[in-house]
Amino acid sequence: GAGVSQSPSNKVTEKGKDVELRCDPISGHTALYWYRQSLGQGLEFLIYFQGNSAPDKSGLPSDRFSAERTGGSVSTLTIQRTQQEDSAVYLCASSSQEWSTQYFGPGTRLTVL
Amino acid sequence: KNEVEQSPQNLTAQEGEFITINCSYSVGISALHWLQQHPGGGIVSLFMLSSGKKKHGRLIATINIQEKHSSLHITASHPRDSAVYICAVWIFGNEKLTFGTGTRLTIIP
Repeated sequence: GAGVSQSPSNKVTEKGKDVELRCDPISGHTALYWYRQSLGQGLEFLIYFQGNSAPDKSGLPSDRFSAERTGGSVSTLTIQRTQQEDSAVYLCASSSQEWSTQYFGPGTRLTVL
Repeated sequence: KNEVEQSPQNLTAQEGEFITINCSYSVGISALHWLQQHPGGGIVSLFMLSSGKKKHGRLIATINIQEKHSSLHITASHPRDSAVYICAVWIFGNEKLTFGTGTRLTIIP
């Protein structure tokens, strides 16, 4: 596709369930980023991939969060045992190379009941 | 104290006015981004800077590495420029993007 796509666009889940969020970057973009924006809050950086490798995972909020990227393309962000404080919009972006202009996806709105 | 500070937090101006939004940071950086978030939530990357000045249409971004300061200027502002503008930096030796709190800009017709 022409832009970054994310799925699902909305996800409602019960506390304690696992969720998986998907990001399809722009074709050929080597860098991929995950962010979170809680209601009324600013952007929070979670993790980025250069190719399939994530240089630093310390931005992930807890060990319930994990992310992977395979084939230098699609990435998944997995949240295990979801908590209400995980409710937020999860945004993905990609860029042609590290530190260059980022193109954002529409986000996944996660609601944990 | 946040590593990235933006000012003002809120700015309301009349259509046509020249707008300046400021970003100051306290650490060494590799690059600085300016982002625009529209009321519907969509985010657009406006500029990525590591030195000097960039211009795109009515938008101009400058950075002074020695003073650890960047500015985003909007000339001939228009109501469609109303959005939250966010400054973000890549900190040297830190593989994370650190965000400012954003500036909410409202342009009145």
